[in-house]
Amino acid sequence: DVKVTQSSRYLVKRTGEKVFLECVQDMDHENMFWYRQDPGLGLRLIYFSYDVKMKEKGDIPEGYSVSREKKERFSLILESASTNQTSMYLCASSPTNYGYTFGSGTRLTVV
Amino acid sequence: QKEVEQDPGPLSVPEGAIVSLNCTYSNSAFQYFMWYRQYSRKGPELLMYTYSSGNKEDGRFTAQVDKSSKYISLFIRDSQPSDSATYLCAMVNYKLSFGAGTTVTVRA
Repeated sequence: DVKVTQSSRYLVKRTGEKVFLECVQDMDHENMFWYRQDPGLGLRLIYFSYDVKMKEKGDIPEGYSVSREKKERFSLILESASTNQTSMYLCASSPTNYGYTFGSGTRLTVV
Repeated sequence: QKEVEQDPGPLSVPEGAIVSLNCTYSNSAFQYFMWYRQYSRKGPELLMYTYSSGNKEDGRFTAQVDKSSKYISLFIRDSQPSDSATYLCAMVNYKLSFGAGTTVTVRA
């Protein structure tokens, strides 16, 4: 089975800090995604990548950036964390349009 | 208007009941239609996907797609307490768009 691993389950950061969320997949998938999940809003796409060093903005990219230096690793960066970025962050990878596999998520609290 | 609309519930049913979940969408370009199940403190996992209008069965689960009405459904027969989770519909044109999710509780 494809495994998508997110480095932290829970994080607490201070306002203004630079935050790195790491995601690693082990099945050589081309596509990787970062979503945030908030009650009543579902999953919203932040950024995605179809190849190494390639990135595309999703629906809510403001305040975020990403890095994909290696095929298996996709990092989400909060340049200056704010309280409205408190959320559950989910990473996913897929070889196709529909076969997404998600990690277990990182619950980030910004205080 | 959101691209994908889903009633967040919550929905509570007795064990053995049929669970009926649905989503509507506005973008006729959506091609693939999926249902994900998400247990508490876990990431979503793919339950079923379908490409065309019609029904698709997998054990106790049936997915329906009506492209003319822009409406998809998921039915869970003989529901079990282990089916208690949040169910998310999702659709693809060039990216995956999710509904808000419906929280389902099956009471023993």
